[in-house]
Amino acid sequence: DTGVSQDPRHKITKRGQNVTFRCDPISEHNRLYWYRQTLGQGPEFLTYFQNEAQLEKSRLLSDRFSAERPKGSFSTLEIQRTEQGDSAMYLCASSLVGQIMNYGYTFGSGTRLTVV
Amino acid sequence: GQNIDQPTEMTATEGAIVQINCTYQTSGFNGLFWYQQHAGEAPTFLSYNVLDGLEEKGRFSSFLSRSKGYSYLLLKELQMKDSASYLCADRTNKLIFGTGTLLAVQP
Repeated sequence: DTGVSQDPRHKITKRGQNVTFRCDPISEHNRLYWYRQTLGQGPEFLTYFQNEAQLEKSRLLSDRFSAERPKGSFSTLEIQRTEQGDSAMYLCASSLVGQIMNYGYTFGSGTRLTVV
Repeated sequence: GQNIDQPTEMTATEGAIVQINCTYQTSGFNGLFWYQQHAGEAPTFLSYNVLDGLEEKGRFSSFLSRSKGYSYLLLKELQMKDSASYLCADRTNKLIFGTGTLLAVQP
């Protein structure tokens, strides 16, 4: 297992377009998290899944954002009608309940979104 | 609410010791994490404290006082490669991060 994978690494899109990002967690991890990070800030929580169930969504996540984890494995994050304020690094992380003490959450390298 | 405070920037000298402080106010506290993040890279796990006291891992140690809502990360024998952002995060059912402390290690 090579860790948490995110695709694409970089995305440039025009304002108003829709974008979709993919995250493949560590295979045995049952929890998956999406975060957004802007320059000079810590990651901001967006949403998380346990298996295929979306258990919590941040108030930061407007109606233009939707996330899915259809089979409890990979996840997608879609942003509709992108705005310049959506430009950020989108980080995915996964964890296995019961192993958090020793390993924490494992983060992917992120997808850097630039909206022009 | 959940407020996590840590200094924005710190500077230290190669070979020295630096302590990065973090205070938090949270209900449902379930542990305090420290992560390291180099520019343009993913955060990487450093330590997790859930009980009071000091946890040592090589050159890095982390301390927690639950009654004071306070933690610190101690880095010894600083190396140039330790220049990075250090993120404090508290855990309820997900991690809530502070803004991070950007540490610059100078020769």
